[in-house]
Amino acid sequence: AQKITQTQPGMFVQEKEAVTLDCTYDTSDQSYGLFWYKQPSSGEMIFLIYQGSYDEQNATEGRYSLNFQKARKSANLVISASQLGDSAMYFCAIRDNYGQNFVFGPGTRLSVLP
Amino acid sequence: DGGITQSPKYLFRKEGQNVTLSCEQNLNHDAMYWYRQDPGQGLRLIYYSQIVNDFQKGDIAEGYSVSREKKESFPLTVTSAQKNPTAFYLCASSIEVLSYEQYFGPGTRLTVT
Repeated sequence: AQKITQTQPGMFVQEKEAVTLDCTYDTSDQSYGLFWYKQPSSGEMIFLIYQGSYDEQNATEGRYSLNFQKARKSANLVISASQLGDSAMYFCAIRDNYGQNFVFGPGTRLSVLP
Repeated sequence: DGGITQSPKYLFRKEGQNVTLSCEQNLNHDAMYWYRQDPGQGLRLIYYSQIVNDFQKGDIAEGYSVSREKKESFPLTVTSAQKNPTAFYLCASSIEVLSYEQYFGPGTRLTVT
């Protein structure tokens, strides 16, 4: 069975600073995908970034980057130059490459301070 | 404007009643999903469908039922057999099940008293 652990229930960051949200995972699959989603207070889930288990380079999407350390089973999200609009819940998720099992972590609530 | 609509945003029901949550997409996606989210927790997969007239149970399917008669629509029925139905329900879709990006609807918050 797959599992996602997010050990930071809440994080604070000053506006314009960078922040790292931790995610570790457990899987017996050789091929899998890792995802980060943002959930603002309105409730919708917004896809941020994806990393495939065979991708050698860390994924980047604008101000988001994924620090992928496969041997440590770690997939941390780095947000650079934080903005007030980044305040939200952030979820890490894993999916096997058969697409049938999509497992989310408990989330981290990020608060960006002015 | 392409996207996923869920209605209503808030839904209240009495215990013992079945209730159906709507999910419609105009993205021409083959795969659709239903998730449940409880306070302070991540999402858990209830059901998913890869194509019309086909659907598979997720991790917490007990007490729920779905249908997929049209590509655009994937309604979820919360039956009276679901012991703790009060939750936030999110519908999602993707081009196919193996697509890495899922698009989510705005969610329906169901309260059963």
